[in-house]
Amino acid sequence: DTGVSQDPRHKITKRGQNVTFRCDPISEHNRLYWYRQTLGQGPEFLTYFQNEAQLEKSRLLSDRFSAERPKGSFSTLEIQRTEQGDSAMYLCASSKGLAVGGYTFGSGTRLTVV
Amino acid sequence: AQSVTQPDIHITVSEGASLELRCNYSYGATPYLFWYVQSPGQGLQLLLKYFSGDTLVQGIKGFEAEFKRSQSSFNLRKPSVHWSDAAEYFCAVGLLISGGSNYKLTFGKGTLLTVNP
Repeated sequence: DTGVSQDPRHKITKRGQNVTFRCDPISEHNRLYWYRQTLGQGPEFLTYFQNEAQLEKSRLLSDRFSAERPKGSFSTLEIQRTEQGDSAMYLCASSKGLAVGGYTFGSGTRLTVV
Repeated sequence: AQSVTQPDIHITVSEGASLELRCNYSYGATPYLFWYVQSPGQGLQLLLKYFSGDTLVQGIKGFEAEFKRSQSSFNLRKPSVHWSDAAEYFCAVGLLISGGSNYKLTFGKGTLLTVNP
């Protein structure tokens, strides 16, 4: 069990560019979550996958955001036409079943839009 | 809508002193409650959770929390703080989604803990 892995750890991009982040969950975890954390705030829910199905999306996830989990394993989060307001830490988490043990979070990808 | 309030943005304690971090929630049903800790630049680590049963729950690193339904609170405590406990602490409530088959977390804004030697 190597934990939840996120790549890259840091990303600096120019406004208007597209970025993609990757999350590799714990191998036996069938549920995967994306959260966003801005400075001075707690994480906010973005979206949730059970296997390859995206079952829940937050209103925070604008049309510029898209998330996939094509084979029910790793997931990607893409942001198109980045804006400065997208600067945040993007956290991925995974769980097995109802997660009575809580989620396991990755270390996050810090995005800075300049 | 559910919400979580952590009234203290920043707390400073001396090493060896006791600690209590406050958390109040607003949620219509019996909540799932969590405390997470985050070190600088890192993800979140689960300290403890409450789903049902005994209202006093024990977690890792010597932390405990007590669920008080009448006060809508889930305060985190530790009898003797260590310098390594310095971090940011988040309280969260789990909201059922997908027809009740899972939950998503709503977090408070966090409490930053500084530990003086």
